[in-house]
Amino acid sequence: DQQVKQNSPSLSVQEGRISILNCDYTNSMFDYFLWYKKYPAEGPTFLISISSIKDKNEDGRFTVFLNKSAKHLSLHIVPSQPGDSAVYFCAASSYTGNQFYFGTGTSLTVIP
Amino acid sequence: DAGVIQSPRHEVTEMGQEVTLRCKPISGHDYLFWYRQTMMRGLELLIYFNNNVPIDDSGMPEDRFSAKMPNASFSTLKIQPSEPRDSAVYFCASSFTGVRANYGYTFGSGTRLTVV
Repeated sequence: DQQVKQNSPSLSVQEGRISILNCDYTNSMFDYFLWYKKYPAEGPTFLISISSIKDKNEDGRFTVFLNKSAKHLSLHIVPSQPGDSAVYFCAASSYTGNQFYFGTGTSLTVIP
Repeated sequence: DAGVIQSPRHEVTEMGQEVTLRCKPISGHDYLFWYRQTMMRGLELLIYFNNNVPIDDSGMPEDRFSAKMPNASFSTLKIQPSEPRDSAVYFCASSFTGVRANYGYTFGSGTRLTVV
C-alpha cells in the first residue's frame, strides 16, 4: 500500500505564477521528507528537504511546507519558470526506517 | 565525477529471456540502491547495499530478481526469466551519507526495460 501519495498526476501553470504540488503520507513515524525533480530521460535529482521539527523550509524560489497533523506537505514554486517543467516526487522516511518511500510523482508543465 | 552510470539505457527483450542491468556508483559512495519506477507505484526500492553487502532485499518482487555487488564500483540487477510485467524504468542510486541522506541520493539516468 502506498505510504506516500501524490494525488495529482499533472499540473499546468502559467509562467510567473505559483505552482503548488501536494503530497500526503499515512505513516505518522515519518519525520524527514524530500522533494526530487526529474527531467525526461534523466534520474531524479534532489531539490529540497524538510525535517519534522520544522513546518517550513525555503530555498530560493522553492518552499516546502509541512503540516504534521494533516500528514501533508506541499512544494511551492514562485515564480514558476518554463525550466521548472518536470516530474516532481516527494519522499518520506522515518527515524527507524531503512528507506525513503516515494510517491508516484506529479508532472508540472509551466506554460510560457 | 561522471555521476552514477547505468547501462544499458534501453533494453527490449522477449519474455523468458534473462536481462542484466548494470550500475557504477559514484566513487566513495558506500550505499547503493536499486529502484523501479512504474506509473502505478512510483519509485519502489528493490534492494540496497552497504559496503557491497546486501542489507535489505525485501523489495525484490520475487525469486526471478537477483542483485549483486562484487566490488565497490559495480552492481548488477538480473531478471531471469523476464516477464512483460517487469517492464519499467530501473534506477540505480548511490549515497555516502547513509540511507537517511540529508540531501537525498544521486540517481543514475535509468534503464528503460521493455519485455515483449
